[in-house]
Amino acid sequence: AQSVTQPDIHITVSEGASLELRCNYSYGATPYLFWYVQSPGQGLQLLLKYFSGDTLVQGIKGFEAEFKRSQSSFNLRKPSVHWSDAAEYFCAVGAREYGNKLVFGAGTILRVKS
Amino acid sequence: DTAVSQTPKYLVTQMGNDKSIKCEQNLGHDTMYWYKQDSKKFLKIMFSYNNKELIINETVPNRFSPKSPDKAHLNLHINSLELGDSAVYFCASSQELGSTDGYTFGSGTRLTVV
Repeated sequence: AQSVTQPDIHITVSEGASLELRCNYSYGATPYLFWYVQSPGQGLQLLLKYFSGDTLVQGIKGFEAEFKRSQSSFNLRKPSVHWSDAAEYFCAVGAREYGNKLVFGAGTILRVKS
Repeated sequence: DTAVSQTPKYLVTQMGNDKSIKCEQNLGHDTMYWYKQDSKKFLKIMFSYNNKELIINETVPNRFSPKSPDKAHLNLHINSLELGDSAVYFCASSQELGSTDGYTFGSGTRLTVV
């Protein structure tokens, strides 16, 4: 069955430091992938997406992610974290071959130290 | 102008009651979804409607009944509420089923059953 894994439940980084959030998926098909961010008490906001083409995609708020098919990964990165980036981040994966259901990872909570 | 709006934002009710959550999108999207986010922030799809037609119906108790009067609205009715139904329910929409543009989420309805 298809699955999405975010290995880190919590990550704490210092303001100004770089960030990488991991996402691995298990799909027997060509997936399309997303990263969403959820601030406390809010809905989910789309940060970026990958469907095809250049495997390094740019998103909003200075985030980028790289799709690595060989590693079944779609890690989210940011070169310099701001305090306002503190939130929960969700990786999501879908595939037409699996009925286009978007499956979410369990989320990673990002804390930013000043 | 809110793209995907849900009402109410908070809902506190007693066990055994029946309640409804409403969702409307003004994006002109064809597909709408209901997701449930449990206390551990895990997001799981419940239902998907494409142009008023039920497409995805996950293993959800039949106490939950979605209704889509038109493609801009997807309501969720819950009968005989149980303590375990307490969660945040998110409505979302996408241009089409399996859209690689991602979903637009509402801000959620926090349901508390006491």
